[in-house]
Amino acid sequence: NAGVTQTPKFQVLKTGQSMTLQCAQDMNHNSMYWYRQDPGMGLRLIYYSASEGTTDKGEVPNGYNVSRLNKREFSLRLESAAPSQTSVYFCASKRTSGGNEQFFGPGTRLTVL
Amino acid sequence: EDQVTQSPEALRLQEGESSSLNCSYTVSGLRGLFWYRQDPGKGPEFLFTLYSAGEEKEKERLKATLTKKESFLHITAPKPEDSATYLCAVQAAGNTPLVFGKGTRLSVIA
Repeated sequence: NAGVTQTPKFQVLKTGQSMTLQCAQDMNHNSMYWYRQDPGMGLRLIYYSASEGTTDKGEVPNGYNVSRLNKREFSLRLESAAPSQTSVYFCASKRTSGGNEQFFGPGTRLTVL
Repeated sequence: EDQVTQSPEALRLQEGESSSLNCSYTVSGLRGLFWYRQDPGKGPEFLFTLYSAGEEKEKERLKATLTKKESFLHITAPKPEDSATYLCAVQAAGNTPLVFGKGTRLSVIA
């Protein structure tokens, strides 16, 4: 049981390049989330998926797109990276019943030059 | 708008020196208050969920309490391995996303 996994762990992009951050969970959770964490700003929600087939915007969705590929996988895409998107990105998942806590992945550290 | 404020931003303790971290919140109908621990370079690790005022949860040297306006994370006789950033988050009524505070960075010195 690996929990929530994220790839890659580190990435450096040039301004304007695109990339997709991958997230997978093996806990059979329905809800999945993408956050970014910046110094002094805390964790901010980018997008979430309450269940397979649905996605919703969070607090800071501009410049990002998401895909809920299936129940296990939720990807985050940067179509044209900007230096302001330099951050640490975390994926999380949550079960539908029995508790509302989210479980987080190890993060992806992204630098946009 | 739901808000979470954590204080202090940073706290430095000697080993064995007990203290408390504060999480003040405003939310439309609290569904749950969550405490997480985050070590440098890692994702947040779930510690506790509190659902109603008066509730308390304990785990080793940590004890979380909840009132209608704030939560405290009490650390009793801390050890250096308790050094981490502690995050607080709230969930409003309905299946709404969590709102996180900015965290308290705790350093415990041997």
